Amino acid sequence: GAVVSQHPSWVICKSGTSVKIECRSLDFQATTMFWYRQFPKQSLMLMATSNEGSKATYEQGVEKDKFLINHASLTLSTLTVTSAHPEDSSFYICSASPWRSYNEQFFGPGTRLTVL
Amino acid sequence: AQTVTQSQPEMSVQEAETVTLSCTYDTSESDYYLFWYKQPPSRQMILVIRQEAYKQQNATENRFSVNFQKAAKSFSLKISDSQLGDAAMYFCAYKREYGNKLVFGAGTILRVKS
Repeated sequence: GAVVSQHPSWVICKSGTSVKIECRSLDFQATTMFWYRQFPKQSLMLMATSNEGSKATYEQGVEKDKFLINHASLTLSTLTVTSAHPEDSSFYICSASPWRSYNEQFFGPGTRLTVL
Repeated sequence: AQTVTQSQPEMSVQEAETVTLSCTYDTSESDYYLFWYKQPPSRQMILVIRQEAYKQQNATENRFSVNFQKAAKSFSLKISDSQLGDAAMYFCAYKREYGNKLVFGAGTILRVKS
């Protein structure tokens, strides 16, 4: 149990286009989902926390208009990288906390974004 | 703000040997959770072990155990009988008792030699 999926697992896009990444909790309901960014051989950097039905809370320094997060249901959160540029190329990871279980956080397999 | 420090960027261990990864953290809170996550080359984050600060007993999970020193704010991970599959990046993480954000350390790359 407690499986989180991400789609796509990798994506290549042209500079200036927008890319949407989906994060789904497959066998549990997640009131809270998190989006991280990770550069090679570095730690995970929390970008934002999304709660179902409300606006995401972004970490300091993360551009809200660049990284649009939507958490429309208890099993789905999406991250849209708008007008992507090469510097947005990175590994994006989502995680999800089950309903009423703040102490658990399950991670998706990640999405590798390459912007040409 | 809480911080997590992993002072060993890389560690190596011989197969079947024991290795200890270090982690220290800074917090003013008395109740919290500590975690060790493993990130193999696939980059899927895997929970290795979890420790509740209010528990004095050190957590263990098969070959993995921790040495939790609350006063020293230290939380090291010991891997016994190391296996090739243990090779990965290991992250130490902190979570407040009533929050759900994880604060990660910089990570330690563990290499296992055969």
